[in-house]
Amino acid sequence: DGGITQSPKYLFRKEGQNVTLSCEQNLNHDAMYWYRQDPGQGLRLIYYSQIVNDFQKGDIAEGYSVSREKKESFPLTVTSAQKNPTAFYLCASSIHNLGYTFGSGTRLTVV
Amino acid sequence: GENVEQHPSTLSVQEGDSAVIKCTYSDSASNYFPWYKQELGKRPQLIIDIRSNVGEKKDQRIAVTLNKTAKHFSLHITETQPEDSAVYFCAASKRAGGTSYGKLTFGQGTILTVHP
Repeated sequence: DGGITQSPKYLFRKEGQNVTLSCEQNLNHDAMYWYRQDPGQGLRLIYYSQIVNDFQKGDIAEGYSVSREKKESFPLTVTSAQKNPTAFYLCASSIHNLGYTFGSGTRLTVV
Repeated sequence: GENVEQHPSTLSVQEGDSAVIKCTYSDSASNYFPWYKQELGKRPQLIIDIRSNVGEKKDQRIAVTLNKTAKHFSLHITETQPEDSAVYFCAASKRAGGTSYGKLTFGQGTILTVHP
């Protein structure tokens, strides 16, 4: 069953702690993306990668980091430098002109 | 970079009525315009898309129109049903190279409520 999987579904972070969100796809898509969703603000791009071992900053990359060591995987680390990390995080992948396929999301809460 | 504005932010209609959501974009090089539907607590799902060489596209009760000159595109839903209630996002991107499209820039979203 092909798709894109995000884990965990819910994540709680303490102040000053780094956390990593997982995103895995078995669709053989070249490009992968991380978006942050806040109420009333739509989806804002954090980082994206169009090929293995290469990635670019999106519109709100500060306080986040990524890696793309494998085609299937694009983990996102939310660092302690991100001052307001509570949000819903969506990972997506795409190939050619078929639009995005989204994961089911991770809801991150600072406690 | 690209900027996408979406209106209205909320839309309430009676079942059977039509709903229209409008988006404008800033980058004249953008050439791919998808629409996504997101139900509460779920992932966004692609419902229809249009490319810049086409002015209108229909899929059953859903249609999208594109005006490249004015840089705006719209989603039209006819004969609305309660299950159409969701958040709808428009987006825009331009070809990054070869046959691949670049990153999508999303509008702010429209909360559509269809009352039975």
